[in-house]
Amino acid sequence: KAGVTQTPRYLIKTRGQQVTLSCSPISGHRSVSWYQQTPGQGLQFLFEYFSETQRNKGNFPGRFSGRQFSNSRSEMNVSTLELGDSALYLCASSFGLADYNEQFFGPGTRLTVL
Amino acid sequence: AQTVTQSQPEMSVQEAETVTLSCTYDTSESDYYLFWYKQPPSRQMILVIRQEAYKQQNATENRFSVNFQKAAKSFSLKISDSQLGDAAMYFCAYLKTSYDKVIFGPGTSLSVIP
Repeated sequence: KAGVTQTPRYLIKTRGQQVTLSCSPISGHRSVSWYQQTPGQGLQFLFEYFSETQRNKGNFPGRFSGRQFSNSRSEMNVSTLELGDSALYLCASSFGLADYNEQFFGPGTRLTVL
Repeated sequence: AQTVTQSQPEMSVQEAETVTLSCTYDTSESDYYLFWYKQPPSRQMILVIRQEAYKQQNATENRFSVNFQKAAKSFSLKISDSQLGDAAMYFCAYLKTSYDKVIFGPGTSLSVIP
């Protein structure tokens, strides 16, 4: 069974631009969660999608948004990029909603904002 | 608000020896979940072990075990017979309920010395 995949793996953008990251969950998984990982703030929960609906949200500004498609694939969008958005963005999938006992992580997308 | 603290930013252990990583958390809840995640360099994050607060028995997964002290709000991870593959960033995490967002500690970087 293929694992969680994220594309692209690396991305360089400039301030003010917007970016879209993609996450394909493990086949059969319906939940996708997104996390931001930075050296300063550590690992922080962004949001979780389940059955195409956002079910949980972390403390991030509205510039961070996401969506989930009917095939459970999820995208995360960051608009008006700031230098502080440079981070490793991880997604994780699970079969059930907020099922942290059986959550599988992707390799991450490394976003650099110049 | 709940917080998770890992007071050891870096630790090292000799191969085949035992090491204990510390984690403390702050919560007013009586029922919750605690996790340890492992993030090897350039590899995907995986769940190492989990503990449900209502269970008094400490969780064990092969060479990994926890010392859960609920009154002290402490959740340490013990790695026995350390192997080179154990070198990674270890994150302690807290989850209030099944449908809440997970909170991660800042992480401990573990090096294994051959």
